[in-house]
Amino acid sequence: GAVVSQHPSWVICKSGTSVKIECRSLDFQATTMFWYRQFPKQSLMLMATSNEGSKATYEQGVEKDKFLINHASLTLSTLTVTSAHPEDSSFYICSAREGREAFFGQGTRLTVV
Amino acid sequence: RKEVEQDPGPFNVPEGATVAFNCTYSNSASQSFFWYRQDCRKEPKLLMSVYSSGNEDGRFTAQLNRASQYISLLIRDSKLSDSATYLCVVSSGGFKTIFGAGTRLFVKA
Repeated sequence: GAVVSQHPSWVICKSGTSVKIECRSLDFQATTMFWYRQFPKQSLMLMATSNEGSKATYEQGVEKDKFLINHASLTLSTLTVTSAHPEDSSFYICSAREGREAFFGQGTRLTVV
Repeated sequence: RKEVEQDPGPFNVPEGATVAFNCTYSNSASQSFFWYRQDCRKEPKLLMSVYSSGNEDGRFTAQLNRASQYISLLIRDSKLSDSATYLCVVSSGGFKTIFGAGTRLFVKA
């Protein structure tokens, strides 16, 4: 099946710094990718929809200036958490669809200290 | 109201038991329906799609009721390895995919 690769799988950063997470579709082209955030014991929450060559669409309550999304090619979307704070610590996961099925990256566990 | 709502769980069942999960969705225009499985600290993985006619895959049976906007998953003869969180997933037009909060299942020996 299709493969989505996400990098890094975990990162620890200092408060106030920025962190970039990459999401790549390895064997298919994805004009649309999705970014989710999951807090412990909670559901995956859609943050934004990343569209190749255009601006991302953010869900209500998600700050677009804090979570910068770039989808410059058909196989790569990046999420940058700017000026990270401890409350941004979470599991971030990307997804891309091929046909009806959604494939997920391995997720990135972000810890802000 | 949440777009996708699931049984809160957790479900604690013995091996061999039959367990059923329910899910309701609010958007009547939803087009595709799935059950995903998520193991602890891992990404979700597709368990099965859900079709209007109902579908079965081994010990797993999924059903969809569009009129009631209701989806179900039945697991028969539960195994220890079935312990996981089961996510009800609904997709509308434009590839937008919404997840339920998940139902945690613990199968014990």
